[in-house]
Amino acid sequence: GDSVTQTEGPVTLSEGTSLTVNCSYETKQYPTLFWYVQYPGEGPQLLFKVPKANEKGSNRGFEATYNKEATSFHLQKASVQESDSAVYYCALRNTGYQNFYFGKGTSLTVIP
Amino acid sequence: NAGVIQTPRHKVTGKGQEATLWCEPISGHSAVFWYRQTIVQGLEFLTYFRNQAPIDDSGMPKERFSAQMPNQSHSTLKIQSTQPQDSAVYLCASSLGTNQDTQYFGPGTRLLVL
Repeated sequence: GDSVTQTEGPVTLSEGTSLTVNCSYETKQYPTLFWYVQYPGEGPQLLFKVPKANEKGSNRGFEATYNKEATSFHLQKASVQESDSAVYYCALRNTGYQNFYFGKGTSLTVIP
Repeated sequence: NAGVIQTPRHKVTGKGQEATLWCEPISGHSAVFWYRQTIVQGLEFLTYFRNQAPIDDSGMPKERFSAQMPNQSHSTLKIQSTQPQDSAVYLCASSLGTNQDTQYFGPGTRLLVL
């Protein structure tokens, strides 16, 4: 079946260091890939999405490349800030379908 | 645009009582989704509606859980005879329902069953 696996947390980084959250997916179909971010007390909100293989998505300094060959969509940021502390979810939605498959989330804490 | 509205934000029930959670999707969105979120399991899909019709309830526990969407402006998730293991954050999301689409989440209802 379809699934998403991502880096298990929690992850703690110092401000100014780089971030990588690994995300791998399984599907036999043609997905759009998403990264969502969730701050305390709020629902997940879209960080960015990439509908096509080999393309890159980015927002607020975060980026990820849809690697179809490796079935990966790793989230990266060169220099994290304290305000990036949140839970990050990788997700996929197959073309023609509405339901999403989410990873279990990766909790990030950035210390000043 | 007010976003997805969920009420109540917090609910405490005693074991065996009923809990009803409400969701108002973004105006114009035709698809509504329910998820359960726990630290252990993360985001678990429960069910979704499109144009008020139930499409996929494969994530719903077979007993005690039910969801309805009586009109385009709200959906409810009802849990009968609540158990402590039902304690979680219940999230509602809506989307336009088109092919290239994004889900927009509400803030969630935190349910605590004592």
